[in-house]
Amino acid sequence: EAGVTQSPTHLIKTRGQQATLRCSPISGHTSVYWYQQALGLGLQFLLWYDEGEERNRGNFPPRFSGRQFPNYSSELNVNALELEDSALYLCASSRQVATNEKLFFGSGTQLSVL
Amino acid sequence: AQTVTQSQPEMSVQEAETVTLSCTYDTSESNYYLFWYKQPPSRQMILVIRQEAYKQQNATENRFSVNFQKAAKSFSLKISDSQLGDTAMYFCAFNNNNDMRFGAGTRLTVKP
Repeated sequence: EAGVTQSPTHLIKTRGQQATLRCSPISGHTSVYWYQQALGLGLQFLLWYDEGEERNRGNFPPRFSGRQFPNYSSELNVNALELEDSALYLCASSRQVATNEKLFFGSGTQLSVL
Repeated sequence: AQTVTQSQPEMSVQEAETVTLSCTYDTSESNYYLFWYKQPPSRQMILVIRQEAYKQQNATENRFSVNFQKAAKSFSLKISDSQLGDTAMYFCAFNNNNDMRFGAGTRLTVKP
């Protein structure tokens, strides 16, 4: 069974540009979570999608947005990139029907903003 | 909102010895789950152990065990017989109704 997959592995952008990160959850998982892991700050919750809808949002500006597609894959978009957006972005999935269940993580996309 | 605090940014331990990583959390909920995740240099987050808040018995997984003190909102991880492969970032996490929050992490180094 394939795990959570993220693409690209690395992404280099310049200030002001837009970045699009992609995530495919484990088959059968309907919930997708996005986290930002900046150096020394742990994992900061960004967004949670389930059944195509945004269920919860962390304390991030509106230029961080995303969506979930009918096949449950997801995109994270970051507009007007700033230097401090440089971080590892982790995607995770779970079965929505089982709340409080563990999350399965991808290996992340390392975003570097120059 | 739930918060998770890991007060030890870095720790080290000699191979074969025991080490304890600390975690505290703040919540008004009574039913929730707590987790410890490991992140090796490969960046892949790996679940180490999980504890359900309504269970009083501390969870154990081979060399890994927790000390769950619900009243004190404390959830520490004990690693026994430390191995070189245990070197990683360790994150404590809290989950209530699909809202999973993480601490800042503790970088553990196991020395030969």
